[in-house]
Amino acid sequence: QKEVEQNSGPLSVPEGAIASLNCTYSDRGSQSFFWYRQYSGKSPELIMFIYSNGDKEDGRFTAQLNKASQYVSLLIRDSQPSDSATYLCALEHWGKFQFGAGTQVVVTP
Amino acid sequence: DTGVSQDPRHKITKRGQNVTFRCDPISEHNRLYWYRQTLGQGPEFLTYFQNEAQLEKSRLLSDRFSAERPKGSFSTLEIQRTEQGDSAMYLCASSLQGGLSGNTIYFGEGSWLTVV
Repeated sequence: QKEVEQNSGPLSVPEGAIASLNCTYSDRGSQSFFWYRQYSGKSPELIMFIYSNGDKEDGRFTAQLNKASQYVSLLIRDSQPSDSATYLCALEHWGKFQFGAGTQVVVTP
Repeated sequence: DTGVSQDPRHKITKRGQNVTFRCDPISEHNRLYWYRQTLGQGPEFLTYFQNEAQLEKSRLLSDRFSAERPKGSFSTLEIQRTEQGDSAMYLCASSLQGGLSGNTIYFGEGSWLTVV
């Protein structure tokens, strides 16, 4: 079992709709959780991080964390064509970061 | 703040040759990470440093790989006797452990390695 699991996609989302991405993890000791966006051929860029159970909003993005169920999700509201990318879920455990394989999102006009 | 800088951005080498990548982290960051990423996969952890100390090295990492951070600033990643399977993007990231934003890592633009 991989430490961080994501659906590979592609997740097709109409422009203006909400994209919902999920991530599950196996290490209950994980302390911090991150979402990165990666455009094709580019390096990952941080979207947001979350440490506590519940929701955290930053602009059009909302991260949700449920440590009891070991999942973290990302919602993208009012999806734009520029949101088309691969979204990587990551967790930190004692200083080391583990990444999922990413979910590809395609926003269609 | 100039961000994480990596050099070279692209490297094509023949199988069996040695290659070295350099990473300059964000200036005040005390932690530096190396990752490898291949197509369709997420970044794979290789090693990380706190200041000049190498805290952990992936068990999956061949002995052909070595990394240093001699003065706690820039770091180098060397791959000896390259193989075609080493072709990947090598990512460097840095963070400020104990900073206000927690241990959030920021990536450089990556170094693409092609072994022919």
